[in-house]
Amino acid sequence: NAGVTQTPKFQVLKTGQSMTLQCAQDMNHNSMYWYRQDPGMGLRLIYYSASEGTTDKGEVPNGYNVSRLNKREFSLRLESAAPSQTSVYFCASSDNYGYTFGSGTRLTVV
Amino acid sequence: AQKITQTQPGMFVQEKEAVTLDCTYDTSDPSYGLFWYKQPSSGEMIFLIYQGSYDQQNATEGRYSLNFQKARKSANLVISASQLGDSAMYFCAMREDRRALTFGSGTRLQVQP
Repeated sequence: NAGVTQTPKFQVLKTGQSMTLQCAQDMNHNSMYWYRQDPGMGLRLIYYSASEGTTDKGEVPNGYNVSRLNKREFSLRLESAAPSQTSVYFCASSDNYGYTFGSGTRLTVV
Repeated sequence: AQKITQTQPGMFVQEKEAVTLDCTYDTSDPSYGLFWYKQPSSGEMIFLIYQGSYDQQNATEGRYSLNFQKARKSANLVISASQLGDSAMYFCAMREDRRALTFGSGTRLQVQP
């Protein structure tokens, strides 16, 4: 089915470890986004990519890096994970008509 | 200043009754879009309804309608004939100038039998 695929769905990291969250969309959307959702809160924008080859910081970019590998893929990297990065991470893509979200990655940093 | 404000952390409604979830927004862009999403306990984000700033009529999608009052900068979601399956978190969000969505803090709706 067409949509946004995120991997992994769950991950536990130790403080200081690194990891990359993967996101791919097959809807030919130009724009892609990474959000984080903390308990009881709305989604906050980490980074976004308006088109292939461009990325911009969102509201909470510290501690993260992103790569827009091609039109389909937009990855989020945590270089040195901290407990404050424990959250649910959502990837999304959009065209002129709306947004499609992935099912989320639940990340715990211990 | 917050761009999207949802002042109701939690709401209760009886099954089959209507409920209104409040959302106010702040923007100076003349062109913007307002979205509502449902997030059930399983965690996925489900799109419900969209209202464009230039749309003359309030948006409707089945049991969902959006009460758009542009001068008051409010975009309240109305759910008619509530069902048990409507119990979830509801998020209001805004897009300005084709940028990323900005979300409110959400309202947890519980539908009681």
